[in-house]
Amino acid sequence: NAGVTQTPKFQVLKTGQSMTLQCAQDMNHEYMSWYRQDPGMGLRLIHYSVGAGITDQGEVPNGYNVSRSTTEDFPLRLLSAAPSQTSVYFCASSYVGLAGAYEQYFGPGTRLTVT
Amino acid sequence: DAKTTQPTSMDCAEGRAANLPCNHSTISGNEYVYWYRQIHSQGPQYIIHGLKNNETNEMASLIITEDRKSSTLILPHATLRDTAVYYCIVRVNNNNDMRFGAGTRLTVKP
Repeated sequence: NAGVTQTPKFQVLKTGQSMTLQCAQDMNHEYMSWYRQDPGMGLRLIHYSVGAGITDQGEVPNGYNVSRSTTEDFPLRLLSAAPSQTSVYFCASSYVGLAGAYEQYFGPGTRLTVT
Repeated sequence: DAKTTQPTSMDCAEGRAANLPCNHSTISGNEYVYWYRQIHSQGPQYIIHGLKNNETNEMASLIITEDRKSSTLILPHATLRDTAVYYCIVRVNNNNDMRFGAGTRLTVKP
């Protein structure tokens, strides 16, 4: 299993540009999430999905779109990049374990700089 | 989900037990306590979780007080590779909206 993979690893954008961060998992997990982590801070939830065709907003959704057309993929789209979106982005997936427990598996992250 | 309070930082000697506390005084009956850690700038790694009983796995032990208002993560024999930020999170299991706080930065020293 490759687990959770994210591409690209690094990206530099100019203000106003758009792009899509890719996330894929091969564990057949129903749940997938996107977080951002600013320097010296904890992770903040952007969007999440409980299955194909279902998405919901997290703590900081503004400026980002998501869709979930397959179980495996959960791309994050930046509509018009702003310097405030400079951050490290982590994708995670999870399953329903024993007694309904959730353990999230995280990808290696995408380091995004917006100039 | 209930909020958690953790110390900002802690030190531990290599080979000794590391005890990381977490307060969650507003936890409700159906909320689990989860622990994750983040080594340097890698993605967070799941450690352990529990509801009300103490739990142990190959990585750590989780001790939850009887009133469930606080818990302690124990790394029995800390190594230099355990240096990381440790996050305590409480959440309802059917809610995938998991919120991380600032965590505790554990430094294991030789």
